Amino acid sequence: DAGVTQSPTHLIKTRGQHVTLRCSPISGHKSVSWYQQVLGQGPQFIFQYYEKEERGRGNFPDRFSARQFPNYSSELNVNALLLGDSALYLCASSLEGQGLYQPQHFGDGTRLSIL
Amino acid sequence: RKEVEQDPGPFNVPEGATVAFNCTYSNSASQSFFWYRQDCRKEPKLLMSVYSSGNEDGRFTAQLNRASQYISLLIRDSKLSDSATYLCVVNGDDYKLSFGAGTTVTVRA
Repeated sequence: DAGVTQSPTHLIKTRGQHVTLRCSPISGHKSVSWYQQVLGQGPQFIFQYYEKEERGRGNFPDRFSARQFPNYSSELNVNALLLGDSALYLCASSLEGQGLYQPQHFGDGTRLSIL
Repeated sequence: RKEVEQDPGPFNVPEGATVAFNCTYSNSASQSFFWYRQDCRKEPKLLMSVYSSGNEDGRFTAQLNRASQYISLLIRDSKLSDSATYLCVVNGDDYKLSFGAGTTVTVRA
């Protein structure tokens, strides 16, 4: 079975632009979460979606938005890009919402560079 | 105070050695605990879940101390392939995973 797939793998943008990142969860997984990881730090939680509803949101500005589609795939949108948005963006899926003992499985990530 | 704190290391150990490190968490309501490993510029991969009674998976042993709010990971008989960053992950009751910054382990021949 395919794991979590993300696209694109790499992306270069300039300040002020917007970006859309895409994620397909493992088949059967209904929950998708997004994380931002900058060099030298652990992943920081951005959003979680479950059954197309936002279930949790991390401490990120409103420039960050996301949605989940009926097939459980998800998009992360970032507007008005800043240099500090340069990071590895990780998508993770799990069987349900982040309930007890439900580990998440990560995709390879999208490496976003802002010039 | 950070939600999850880890000793960044690095822990440099020879092959065959035992290495152990801890992670502390601030939210006493946290309910699920995991160790992930992350290789350089790769995605995190689940190493093991951590259960209240402690658990072992081959050469890896995880312990949870709720009273002191820390989790530990012990690696026995270290292999070169164990070289990685180990991320402590805690799930509270608010639908998010909190990651530590990671502990770097380097196993040398």
